[in-house]
Amino acid sequence: GENVEQHPSTLSVQEGDSAVIKCTYSDSASNYFPWYKQELGKRPQLIIDIRSNVGEKKDQRIAVTLNKTAKHFSLHITETQPEDSAVYFCAASLRGSTLGRLYFGRGTQLTVWP
Amino acid sequence: NAGVTQTPKFRVLKTGQSMTLLCAQDMNHEYMYWYRQDPGMGLRLIHYSVGEGTTAKGEVPDGYNVSRLKKQNFLLGLESAAPSQTSVYFCASSYTSLGTDRRSPTDEQYFGPGTRLTVT
Repeated sequence: GENVEQHPSTLSVQEGDSAVIKCTYSDSASNYFPWYKQELGKRPQLIIDIRSNVGEKKDQRIAVTLNKTAKHFSLHITETQPEDSAVYFCAASLRGSTLGRLYFGRGTQLTVWP
Repeated sequence: NAGVTQTPKFRVLKTGQSMTLLCAQDMNHEYMYWYRQDPGMGLRLIHYSVGEGTTAKGEVPDGYNVSRLKKQNFLLGLESAAPSQTSVYFCASSYTSLGTDRRSPTDEQYFGPGTRLTVT
């Protein structure tokens, strides 16, 4: 099956700085890469996703990039704010597969200091 | 819509006891999933279901059983709880087939609020 690795496991940045979280995947057939944010004590929620037919997607301060050749994708958060502090999970899957499985990375604890 | 709900929110069990966690969704989703979340381990899939009456094993199924008798409900059972099953359990659902506007089963998964289980 798919194997997703995520780095770093913890990340501390000053408010206003940028944060980058990187993930690699093993199955070249994977074509869907979502990112979930989980605030302390809350449920994971989708914040952005990218499909393999595009290389980059932006939504305000967050962006995701995908390098299919190298099999890695990254989450970029610009102008970080304290409310960005959370655990972020990347995932990979084969969109359209009847199995419907997401393979998650182990998460990155992002702390934004005011 | 309530989305995805889980019952109970917290539970403490003694080793060897049994219990059932209930997940319910009101979004008419076909797919439902049970995950466990442990520190530093991310979200690991226990079992999942691609439709009413069907279930399948995920990556950590041992010690758990599931049932999907109704489309909106997905039950996770622990027959004989062990301390290694102390965890936070999340249910999720996805995929509504809407005629020609078919979404993929791997599109957004909607998570429940979680159940914190402690086995002593």
